[in-house]
Amino acid sequence: EPEVTQTPSHQVTQMGQEVILRCVPISNHLYFYWYRQILGQKVEFLVSFYNNEISEKSEIFDDQFSVERPDGSNFTLKIRSTKLEDSAMYFCASSGTGTNSPLHFGNGTRLTVT
Amino acid sequence: GESVGLHLPTLSVQEGDNSIINCAYSNSASDYFIWYKQESGKGPQFIIDIRSNMDKRQGQRVTVLLNKTVKHLSLQIAATQPGDSAVYFCAERGKLSFGAGTTVTVRA
Repeated sequence: EPEVTQTPSHQVTQMGQEVILRCVPISNHLYFYWYRQILGQKVEFLVSFYNNEISEKSEIFDDQFSVERPDGSNFTLKIRSTKLEDSAMYFCASSGTGTNSPLHFGNGTRLTVT
Repeated sequence: GESVGLHLPTLSVQEGDNSIINCAYSNSASDYFIWYKQESGKGPQFIIDIRSNMDKRQGQRVTVLLNKTVKHLSLQIAATQPGDSAVYFCAERGKLSFGAGTTVTVRA
């Protein structure tokens, strides 16, 4: 069964550094998402992406965040200058037809900012 | 605020018993609902979905019930197993946010 894959599984970075989290969505999916989950808290929506542009974003997704689909298979989340509070699990998801179909999630990247 | 919420944050179930997880929604126009399961250290996983033209849908050991009159959704797990221990979320079409979920713990 096709799945969403995320790399790396764990990323440690120093405060102020830039990080790029990578995702390979399911190949025939058209909608892509990033979520984060701070330890012990709920899964929070960051951004959705369709047709090479952001379709929706939350208030968490500020100017420090950006997303890109650099080629036909990858979907990336960049955090420009990481803060301690960016430490969390970051989940990528994709769906075939947007919110009319379920999201398929990757197993996440654990980001630790020191 | 959130339009979809779960009634109880935790549920403890004896192995072999049935589990029922509840969810309420506020938008009466919602026409598609999804249940996800998140095991420790993993991403949320799709379990089952239901459209508003149905009031019941069954999967493998899971049943989702939809009561549009009271805007209530439930997930029933038959013969709960240790592998069912997880956090369960409900979601509705058009809403990309999740509630806090219900943590199900299965007692041996």
